[in-house]
Amino acid sequence: DAGITQSPRHKVTETGTPVTLRCHQTENHRYMYWYRQDPGHGLRLIHYSYGVKDTDKGEVSDGYSVSRSKTEDFLLTLESATSSQTSVYFCAISESTQVEQYFGPGTRLTVT
Amino acid sequence: AQSVSQHNHHVILSEAASLELGCNYSYGGTVNLFWYVQYPGQHLQLLLKYFSGDPLVKGIKGFEAEFIKSKFSFNLRKPSVQWSDTAEYFCAVNSYNQGGKLIFGQGTELSVKP
Repeated sequence: DAGITQSPRHKVTETGTPVTLRCHQTENHRYMYWYRQDPGHGLRLIHYSYGVKDTDKGEVSDGYSVSRSKTEDFLLTLESATSSQTSVYFCAISESTQVEQYFGPGTRLTVT
Repeated sequence: AQSVSQHNHHVILSEAASLELGCNYSYGGTVNLFWYVQYPGQHLQLLLKYFSGDPLVKGIKGFEAEFIKSKFSFNLRKPSVQWSDTAEYFCAVNSYNQGGKLIFGQGTELSVKP
């Protein structure tokens, strides 16, 4: 398995609170991605990064922001969590845009 | 917009039955194609991938997939399933013109009865 960890693995939070999820890799891959997984939707891309401090939006980026200050870390922040953001969040990494992505173990987030 | 469609949402098979899961995509340009598997409670793992060359690709655990460009399809097959194949299967596509963004299908849940 690729060296990807996510923290926390489970979190319950209240509506309106800020939440930050962390993805850490030991593979030195340039590209990092955040997805959310919801029943019937597969995985949908939230944001991705193509280098330190270089990020871009995915298809479901509203309500989320990201930061990447180091190659190995990619943070996803929910500025003010809503119940619609209850989901399982996966981080992924890849060496380039034209090869496979490797996924982390996921974070289950519940917003009450 | 580019999309990926998996026609079977839930498939139930008995052990030793043959499996075929459908995947169709909408993009007409050059694409890379993937099948991922997610076992219960686990993260996604790559089953197989197609970039170019022989359209019949073999992956791990006896799975294979065939790329048919004229049909925009990349169906997953296994001749004889096992109980341990119970999982959710995702087809995914990225294209050279989309900056490598992976577009996933909705997933197919496979249940194999012992």
